[in-house]
Amino acid sequence: EAGVAQSPRYKIIEKRQSVAFWCNPISGHATLYWYQQILGQGPKLLIQFQNNGVVDDSQLPKDRFSAERLKGVDSTLKIQPAKLEDSAVYLCASSTRQGSYEQYFGPGTRLTVT
Amino acid sequence: AQSVSQHNHHVILSEAASLELGCNYSYGGTVNLFWYVQYPGQHLQLLLKYFSGDPLVKGIKGFEAEFIKSKFSFNLRKPSVQWSDTAEYFCAVADFGNEKLTFGTGTRLTIIP
Repeated sequence: EAGVAQSPRYKIIEKRQSVAFWCNPISGHATLYWYQQILGQGPKLLIQFQNNGVVDDSQLPKDRFSAERLKGVDSTLKIQPAKLEDSAVYLCASSTRQGSYEQYFGPGTRLTVT
Repeated sequence: AQSVSQHNHHVILSEAASLELGCNYSYGGTVNLFWYVQYPGQHLQLLLKYFSGDPLVKGIKGFEAEFIKSKFSFNLRKPSVQWSDTAEYFCAVADFGNEKLTFGTGTRLTIIP
């Protein structure tokens, strides 16, 4: 079974630039999550999708972050404009259904904002 | 809001030593509890989970964890560690009926051969 795919693996941008991350969940997984993991901290949930609908985006900084999952499969997370404090690893995870609790994580995208 | 504390930031042990990593959460209601592990260069993966029933749960690779409700704790244990257990370990909690995982800050475990 193929795992959660993410790209790019690494990205370096200057502050005020924009960036986008892509995630393809495990086939058949209806629930998709984006997490932000700042160095020295645990992952923090940014947004949760169930199919192509948003379940929870309470911790997403909506003034600069956006995410979509248009066809209920892969998803894109965008930051525009980026700030220095956005430097982090962005993790995507998926699970089979809402309430399954077992989340499968991708390798992450390491973002450095200079 | 739920919070999770992992008091040990970096633990260094010799092979065959016993391991216990602490995890405490803040909210006293019904919770689901998890330990995730990230081996060097690999993805986060589920080590074990507790939903209900026997408070002593067993996971992969000889790990186990004990849920003590009165102490709001879910400590991870292994009787004899191996060099291959070198990794970062994260405790996570979800309030019952809510899938949102709250992670601790992680414990980096280094095993010396």
